[in-house]
Amino acid sequence: EAGVAQSPRYKIIEKRQSVAFWCNPISGHATLYWYQQILGQGPKLLIQFQNNGVVDDSQLPKDRFSAERLKGVDSTLKIQPAKLEDSAVYLCASSYTSGGTGTQYFGPGTRLLVL
Amino acid sequence: GDSVTQMEGPVTLSEEAFLTINCTYTATGYPSLFWYVQYPGEGLQLLLKATKADDKGSNKGFEATYRKETTSFHLEKGSVQVSDSAVYFCALSDSTGTASKLTFGTGTRLQVTL
Repeated sequence: EAGVAQSPRYKIIEKRQSVAFWCNPISGHATLYWYQQILGQGPKLLIQFQNNGVVDDSQLPKDRFSAERLKGVDSTLKIQPAKLEDSAVYLCASSYTSGGTGTQYFGPGTRLLVL
Repeated sequence: GDSVTQMEGPVTLSEEAFLTINCTYTATGYPSLFWYVQYPGEGLQLLLKATKADDKGSNKGFEATYRKETTSFHLEKGSVQVSDSAVYFCALSDSTGTASKLTFGTGTRLQVTL
């Protein structure tokens, strides 16, 4: 079974530029998550989708971050414009169900460096 | 809000030593508890989980017991190997309706030497 796919794996941009990340979840997983992991910290949820609807985006900085999952499968996360503090690893995860006991499976992440 | 506190690292052990990584949590409901592991250069992988009080999760020789009375989920292994060197994250999921985010601790780096 293929895991969660993410691209690109690495990205270097200058501040005020825009960047987009792509995620393809495990086939059949209705729930998709984007997390931000700053160096030395645990991952923090940015947004959760159930199919193509947003369930929780309370910690998404909506002035600069946006995300979509138009067909309920793959998803993109965009940052525009980027700030230095956005340097982090962006992790995508998926789960079969949205319940709290369900296991979330993580992709390899996209490492972003903002200069 | 929900939070997870785990012991700071790095933890350095000799091979075959006993491992304990402490984890305590604060949650408003009845969370599920997880340990995730991140090997060098790889993504997060689920190591084990427990979904209710007194449950014991186990995998690859690692164990953790859900202790509601002490709000703890300490990770243990009787004999560590060099291949166990990684960063270990304790996490909880306290779902509300369909929202089920994971709240992570800051991670504990384990270094096992020969």
